[in-house]
Amino acid sequence: GQQVMQIPQYQHVQEGEDFTTYCNSSTTLSNIQWYKQRPGGHPVFLIQLVKSGEVKKQKRLTFQFGEAKKNSSLHITATQTTDVGTYFCAGGSYGGATNKLIFGTGTLLAVQP
Amino acid sequence: EADIYQTPRYLVIGTGKKITLECSQTMGHDKMYWYQQDPGMELHLIHYSYGVNSTEKGDLSSESTVSRIRTEHFPLTLESARPSHTSQYLCASSETRAGVGYNEQFFGPGTRLTVL
Repeated sequence: GQQVMQIPQYQHVQEGEDFTTYCNSSTTLSNIQWYKQRPGGHPVFLIQLVKSGEVKKQKRLTFQFGEAKKNSSLHITATQTTDVGTYFCAGGSYGGATNKLIFGTGTLLAVQP
Repeated sequence: EADIYQTPRYLVIGTGKKITLECSQTMGHDKMYWYQQDPGMELHLIHYSYGVNSTEKGDLSSESTVSRIRTEHFPLTLESARPSHTSQYLCASSETRAGVGYNEQFFGPGTRLTVL
């Protein structure tokens, strides 16, 4: 079945350093969504990318969708302690049940002040 | 802020008990989902619903069952709890918008279930 892998599984950075997580799907995706889950919390939607090669920015966060629509990345510039949490990508498939997402394995970000 | 609620937030129960995890949303969303998430791990879809009287099993096999009699309510039931059911259960909802295939999912706070 469809799989969505993320690397790295865990990243520890000093505050102010940059961070990137990569998301790779075994199949072509119709769209990719990104969620953030704080420790002890629930996932919160960050953004959705739909077009091949699309790039979107939210303040210090930059999201990319690969040309082949099988991979995506999230880059955080100058991390802050408020960025701590697990970042999940979630892909939607063509021809699949509408709005049924496959979540990636997640990347846990720890930020040392 | 998303208006989706789950009760109880924490539940510790003995093996063999029947339990129902409640999920309600006040946003009028047609689609609702149940995910299972072990600590530090990814979310696995166990049930979803496109609307009233519509339920489907997700990608992860689960012994739980769900019902969708009202738009706002999507309870999950375990007839006989076992230690292997210990996990966090997250409920989510999303709306259908014309011309948009996928929409963001709003998650509830989750129920942490421990079966002894």
